[in-house]
Amino acid sequence: AQKITQTQPGMFVQEKEAVTLDCTYDTSDPSYGLFWYKQPSSGEMIFLIYQGSYDQQNATEGRYSLNFQKARKSANLVISASQLGDSAMYFCAMREALTIYNQGGKLIFGQGTELSVKP
Amino acid sequence: ETGVTQTPRHLVMGMTNKKSLKCEQHLGHNAMYWYKQSAKKPLELMFVYSLEERVENNSVPSRFSPECPNSSHLFLHLHTLQPEDSALYLCASSQTGRPNTEAFFGQGTRLTVV
Repeated sequence: AQKITQTQPGMFVQEKEAVTLDCTYDTSDPSYGLFWYKQPSSGEMIFLIYQGSYDQQNATEGRYSLNFQKARKSANLVISASQLGDSAMYFCAMREALTIYNQGGKLIFGQGTELSVKP
Repeated sequence: ETGVTQTPRHLVMGMTNKKSLKCEQHLGHNAMYWYKQSAKKPLELMFVYSLEERVENNSVPSRFSPECPNSSHLFLHLHTLQPEDSALYLCASSQTGRPNTEAFFGQGTRLTVV
């Protein structure tokens, strides 16, 4: 069963505006981590931001922030002041604590959202 | 020197060829992964090695054969591939035992099977 769902195949945003990329997840493990990655056309996956299931505050990293709503099982990425260089695929991913020792701590990814920033 | 290095970056091979993808990490991590990314699809986890032992194989066809000789190196041996195996193959590494550590990815090998 799909554990990470990104329902927006593509998004457009005007330069300098903010955009929210949606991510919902499903797990029965009380301890887990949520990650967002950016993949430009070059192919490399670039880590953006992390949110732990026990973190009380929403994670922030520069222009990136994570809107974590635990009860709704959502972890949306907010990019403020969009730049042309933000155009890329964005992936939400999850690691469950129970996988760390018996499954190597694998990351499970969503389908991705293609973000296009317009000048 | 980048954290995770994959070679080659691009590979074109015939269905009867044998080739290998190489991944090397310089981060001191103890887990390494192979992911397959086909067009318009999410990343599919192929193999996981933790402490140099294969801990998970997601029912990958036997024409893909992984090898992890040490904690810094990971190979993916390819033989008699099919055109549908054309994809971006991504290697990643992380440190197990810490749920909050991100995985670091290489730039990928773009494979085309003709």
